[in-house]
Amino acid sequence: GAVVSQHPSWVICKSGTSVKIECRSLDFQATTMFWYRQFPKQSLMLMATSNEGSKATYEQGVEKDKFLINHASLTLSTLTVTSAHPEDSSFYICSASPSRAWAEAFFGQGTRLTVV
Amino acid sequence: GESVGLHLPTLSVQEGDNSIINCAYSNSASDYFIWYKQESGKGPQFIIDIRSNMDKRQGQRVTVLLNKTVKHLSLQIAATQPGDSAVYFCAENPSNQGGKLIFGQGTELSVKP
Repeated sequence: GAVVSQHPSWVICKSGTSVKIECRSLDFQATTMFWYRQFPKQSLMLMATSNEGSKATYEQGVEKDKFLINHASLTLSTLTVTSAHPEDSSFYICSASPSRAWAEAFFGQGTRLTVV
Repeated sequence: GESVGLHLPTLSVQEGDNSIINCAYSNSASDYFIWYKQESGKGPQFIIDIRSNMDKRQGQRVTVLLNKTVKHLSLQIAATQPGDSAVYFCAENPSNQGGKLIFGQGTELSVKP
């Protein structure tokens, strides 16, 4: 149980375009999902907390207008990178938690974004 | 603030030896800690966790030690195998923020056959 799936696994897009990444909890309902970004040889950095039915909470320094997060259902959160630039190329990882009282989070397999 | 990673420190061990990976965490209010293993191009994989009311927890070939006084975690891997080669991260869960994890710097473990 507790499977989180991300789609796509990798994507290449042209500079200036937008790309959407999906994060789904397959066998549980996730009231909260989290989006992380990871550059090569670095740690995971939390970008934002995605709350079902309400606005996402962004970490300091993360542009909310550039990284649009939607959590329309208890099993799906999407991250849209708008007007992507080469410096947005990174590994994006989501995690999901069944409830606020549940400390552990379950991770997706990640999405490799390359902007050319 | 969030943990910002520098280039990963590395640990190289011989197959069969024990490995010890260390981590310093930042928030004294954190009450739950997890060690993750991450292989290249994949998401983090849960290894073992520990709550702040414990100082040691053992799993299969792995042990986590927690020292709250100095905000330090360690992961011990017994009889390290080539399949253990990966990057290992500790993560802390700030109190009452379910699922939110702040990751440490990470250590790249390389196991020589």
